[in-house]
Amino acid sequence: GEDVEQSLFLSVREGDSSVINCTYTDSSSTYLYWYKQEPGAGLQLLTYIFSNMDMKQDQRLTVLLNKKDKHLSLRIADTQTGDSAIYFCAESISGYSTLTFGKGTMLLVSP
Amino acid sequence: NAGVTQTPKFQVLKTGQSMTLQCAQDMNHNSMYWYRQDPGMGLRLIYYSASEGTTDKGEVPNGYNVSRLNKREFSLRLESAAPSQTSVYFCASSAEGPTYEQYFGPGTRLTVT
Repeated sequence: GEDVEQSLFLSVREGDSSVINCTYTDSSSTYLYWYKQEPGAGLQLLTYIFSNMDMKQDQRLTVLLNKKDKHLSLRIADTQTGDSAIYFCAESISGYSTLTFGKGTMLLVSP
Repeated sequence: NAGVTQTPKFQVLKTGQSMTLQCAQDMNHNSMYWYRQDPGMGLRLIYYSASEGTTDKGEVPNGYNVSRLNKREFSLRLESAAPSQTSVYFCASSAEGPTYEQYFGPGTRLTVT
């Protein structure tokens, strides 16, 4: 069955780059997603990548996908205190509308 | 566009009481979902509805029922609340394939005593 794994916690200093990692097991994954959850709020879609792509860049965010190793990463450049949140990785399988989510990585950015 | 809205924001129930969580979306999405979020467990899918008139069980459906009232609204009912159902509940809706990206409501924080 499918499973999505993430490290639980990451701490960085303001201005540094943050890299949040995710691994997934299902080789049928078609899209992979990154969501952000701020305290007391719902999940906000940050970006997604199609499984036949290696990289996607969107302003300060860079998503890298290594399909051979089933490894996904989210890099946040020039991390700000407002980036402190929980980040969720998720995958979808071709033909199914449901997503499988990881347990989330808490990013703490200190001044 | 309000996106996905949920009511209420907070609720406290006694064991055995019933209640319905309401969800509505104004994005004309076909698919809607209910999740629960617990510390250390991530998001777990309770039920989903791929289209108006259909519903399917997710990972943790026991103790819950759902109704897809129309294309906009998808409600979650707890018939006899238990302390194990203390959680934060999120409703979501999704765009059509192939991307299926989901959009989430702000959540309902439920405490069962």
